[in-house]
Amino acid sequence: SQKIEQNSEALNIQEGKTATLTCNYTNYSPAYLQWYRQDPGRGPVFLLLIRENEKEKRKERLKVTFDTTLKQSLFHITASQPADSATYLCALGDTGNQFYFGTGTSLTVIP
Amino acid sequence: NAGVTQTPKFQVLKTGQSMTLQCAQDMNHEYMSWYRQDPGMGLRLIHYSVGAGITDQGEVPNGYNVSRSTTEDFPLRLLSAAPSQTSVYFCASRLRTGAAGANVLTFGAGSRLTVL
Repeated sequence: SQKIEQNSEALNIQEGKTATLTCNYTNYSPAYLQWYRQDPGRGPVFLLLIRENEKEKRKERLKVTFDTTLKQSLFHITASQPADSATYLCALGDTGNQFYFGTGTSLTVIP
Repeated sequence: NAGVTQTPKFQVLKTGQSMTLQCAQDMNHEYMSWYRQDPGMGLRLIHYSVGAGITDQGEVPNGYNVSRSTTEDFPLRLLSAAPSQTSVYFCASRLRTGAAGANVLTFGAGSRLTVL
C-alpha cells in the first residue's frame, strides 16, 4: 500500500527565513500532489496543487516542487511570518476517488 | 457561504452507544467524504460518496455506516461505539471527478469524539 512521509520532527525557524517542508512517498504514482494548512482545532485548508507533469508551482510566498523520479515534493514558505505557524499536510491523488494524506509537519515561526 | 458544516463539535459517548455525526455542504458538491484524524496516523478515509444514493468504503470503514439521500447531507453513523473510535472526524467535499477544480477538498471544522 502507499506510504507518505513528512518531516517527522516539528520545524522551528526564525521569522524572515525560508521554511522547507518535505513529503516523500512510496508504492504510488499520483497524478497530482497537494498541500494543505491545518490550524489547531480546525479542518485542513487547501493551499496548492501540482500535477505529475509539472516541476514547480508558485503562489505568493509559497513554492512547491514535485519530483516523480525521487517521489518527493518540497514545500517552501519564503519570508516566513509567525502567522505561518501551523501544521502542513501533503496529499496525493489520482483520477479515482481517494486522497492519501501524510501525517503533517508542525511549523513554528519564531519572531 | 457556509461551506461544510459539521455537528456536533464535541461528543462524549460510552462504549456501545450509537450516534450520528452530521455533515452538510451548500456548494453543490457531488463528492462527500468522512475522514478520521489520529495522532501520528494522518487523515484516513472512512467512507465516501460520489452522489446521492451512492456510497463506498474507504481505508477504515469498519464500525461506521453512511447514507446519502440528498446532495447536501452525508451523515456518519457509529453503530456501537468503541474506545478505538475516539478521534477527530472531518467531513470533506469536492466537485465531481473531471470538473474544473475537482481535485480540491473543502473540509469542515471537525467533530471531536471521545468514547469511554
